[in-house]
Amino acid sequence: AQSVTQLGSHVSVSEGALVLLRCNYSSSVPPYLFWYVQYPNQGLQLLLKYTSAATLVKGINGFEAEFKKSETSFHLTKPSAHMSDAAEYFCAVSGDAGNMLTFGGGTRLMVKP
Amino acid sequence: NAGVTQTPKFRVLKTGQSMTLLCAQDMNHEYMYWYRQDPGMGLRLIHYSVGEGTTAKGEVPDGYNVSRLKKQNFLLGLESAAPSQTSVYFCASSPRTGGADTQYFGPGTRLTVL
Repeated sequence: AQSVTQLGSHVSVSEGALVLLRCNYSSSVPPYLFWYVQYPNQGLQLLLKYTSAATLVKGINGFEAEFKKSETSFHLTKPSAHMSDAAEYFCAVSGDAGNMLTFGGGTRLMVKP
Repeated sequence: NAGVTQTPKFRVLKTGQSMTLLCAQDMNHEYMYWYRQDPGMGLRLIHYSVGEGTTAKGEVPDGYNVSRLKKQNFLLGLESAAPSQTSVYFCASSPRTGGADTQYFGPGTRLTVL
């Protein structure tokens, strides 16, 4: 069984401030972890994914996430928020081949000017 | 390359009416999925298909049926719509399932059932 918890359904930051979106997972097998982003009125697109090659994963638009096995976490960060980062962000977990993707509840990021 | 497309984009139904949502992908992916998105609940898997002619139930399959007659198309049907099926529906596809495979999503269909 696998599950994902995203702490904070809404996060608000000022433009230029650090973005930190939290994700904790549980999985009975070594996990693959994903962050997807959904811009208003659009589908989801992949931001980055952890595939066990490196614990620090860099994605598009300056985002990165660090896999911490001891904390079962995969938090998403960006050093400096931009207005265009306003969107909903979903963390997801998958197991080995054949396992379905399980999503967290999502975090809506708002960026204030 | 259009990726994953969904038809229609919006629909309003009355309780008891039926409809079919169409998903098409041009990436030659084996796996296709239907999700529903509700506030605070993320995306939940309704049904999925591991190849042409196959379908399987996901987390929330009740009230929905699916068909995959052609590899590129995955249809989601509501036989008798209920207000609880008001949601945004997303189709996705991937080369395989599980592991590190990325799922590619369509733009969504916003369905309201009155």
